[in-house]
Amino acid sequence: DSGVTQTPKHLITATGQRVTLRCSPRSGDLSVYWYQQSLDQGLQFLIQYYNGEERAKGNILERFSAQQFPDLHSELNLSSLELGDSALYFCASSVEQGKIAGNTIYFGEGSWLTVV
Amino acid sequence: EDKVVQSPLSLVVHEGDTVTLNCSYEVTNFRSLLWYKQEKKAPTFLFMLTSSGIEKKSGRLSSILDKKELFSILNITATQTGDSAIYLCAVEYLAGQNFVFGPGTRLSVLP
Repeated sequence: DSGVTQTPKHLITATGQRVTLRCSPRSGDLSVYWYQQSLDQGLQFLIQYYNGEERAKGNILERFSAQQFPDLHSELNLSSLELGDSALYFCASSVEQGKIAGNTIYFGEGSWLTVV
Repeated sequence: EDKVVQSPLSLVVHEGDTVTLNCSYEVTNFRSLLWYKQEKKAPTFLFMLTSSGIEKKSGRLSSILDKKELFSILNITATQTGDSAIYLCAVEYLAGQNFVFGPGTRLSVLP
C-alpha cells in the first residue's frame, strides 16, 4: 500500500458525460500528479499540483481540468467524454526532500475509466 | 526535449535466466533516476539512484547509474514468473519534482 488513495476504482460512463476522479496523497506529501495510461501505452503525464497550485502541465486536454484543495486532496475532472478517454488514471504524490536528495513518487491504485 | 528511452521494449525469458534492462535519458538538471515495477495496477517503487557507480540491491534485483553516459541498468538474476511485469524507468529533473517516464520494458518470464 503506497498510501495514495484514489476513488472510484472503476467507473463506466457514456460518451458526452462528465466524471470526477478523486485522490488523497500520502500524509505529508505536497505534490500531486495525474497520469493517464491507455491500454498498452506508457504513462502520460497530465498535470502536477504543489501545495494547492498548478506546477506543471503535460498532455492534458482542454476538456480535462484538475485542482488541489487546501487539505491537499486533488480532483481530476473529465468532461465531454469520448471513447478514447477510456484509460487507467493514476494519481501519484511526492514530498520535496530538499535541493540535494532526489524525490520519490508514489502511485495510487488507479481509477479505471471506461467510456461506452 | 526531456526524454527517457528504455530498451528492450519487450523481453521473453525462461525462469532462471538473468536479464538486463536499459534506461537512457536526456534531461535538464538531472536529480535522480527511479525504477518501478508495474504488474496489474499501480507502479511500485524499486530503486532511486542519484550517484554514479553505486549499486543499489534488493534481493535478486540490482541497479546502477552512470551519470556520465546518462544511463542506468536494472538487473534481475534467477528470474521467476513473479518477475513478469512492466519495468518503468523515470527521471526527476530540474528542481521542481518534475518526472519523466520511459515507455517501459515488458518482461515475461516463462516457467
